[in-house]
Amino acid sequence: SYDLTQPPSVSVSPGQTASITCSGDKLGYKYACWYQQKPGQSPVLVIYQDTKRPSGIPERFSGSNSGNTATLTISGTQAMDEADYYCQAWDSSTVVFGGGTKLTVL
Amino acid sequence: QVQLVQSGAEVKKPGASVKVSCKASGYTFTSYYIHWVRQAPGQGLEWMGIIDPSGGSTTYVQKFQGRVTMTSDTSTSTVYMELSSLRSADTAVYYCSSTKDPNQSFDIWGQGTMVTVSS
Repeated sequence: SYDLTQPPSVSVSPGQTASITCSGDKLGYKYACWYQQKPGQSPVLVIYQDTKRPSGIPERFSGSNSGNTATLTISGTQAMDEADYYCQAWDSSTVVFGGGTKLTVL
Repeated sequence: QVQLVQSGAEVKKPGASVKVSCKASGYTFTSYYIHWVRQAPGQGLEWMGIIDPSGGSTTYVQKFQGRVTMTSDTSTSTVYMELSSLRSADTAVYYCSSTKDPNQSFDIWGQGTMVTVSS
């Protein structure tokens, strides 16, 4: 089975840049996307097709994907960005999620 | 607007079955696929499978094959996910999500349905 690996936690100071990685075999050859999930809420798509932002997602969210690693970058991180983040990709039409990363803004 | 509304929380005993519904509105029901994703308490997201509401074809994750059944009712724009032989490890929030293409990111989610399995 295909696995996506994320760090369990990332910490960032307000106003700084947060980077969350997602690793998988030849992930750069697949499309990756990212979801934000706050406690008690459904996930929200923040990046799709590696780099694209859905309507309504702030410009401070950006993504990249190359080699074996996809990265979600949040520039000028705000307190409201504190949440769990999940990467997701497809492997032979099967949906695979990363284990999730808890982003703490402190 | 596009919306997915799920049925309410359920409490089931081990060995029982649960059927969760997901009612779509705001778009042509048969033009979008419906995925089911679950999340155990304090854990990550887990994809369970997908249904094409137009023809009813399904793909299930091997882990759930034999225990999960996804169906659709085009007359009410509702998709159902039934999970049988429940055990405590099935305690989770179950989400439905719709996509226009099977390999498209999940941009529309239901509000989630909490299923608790407890004796």
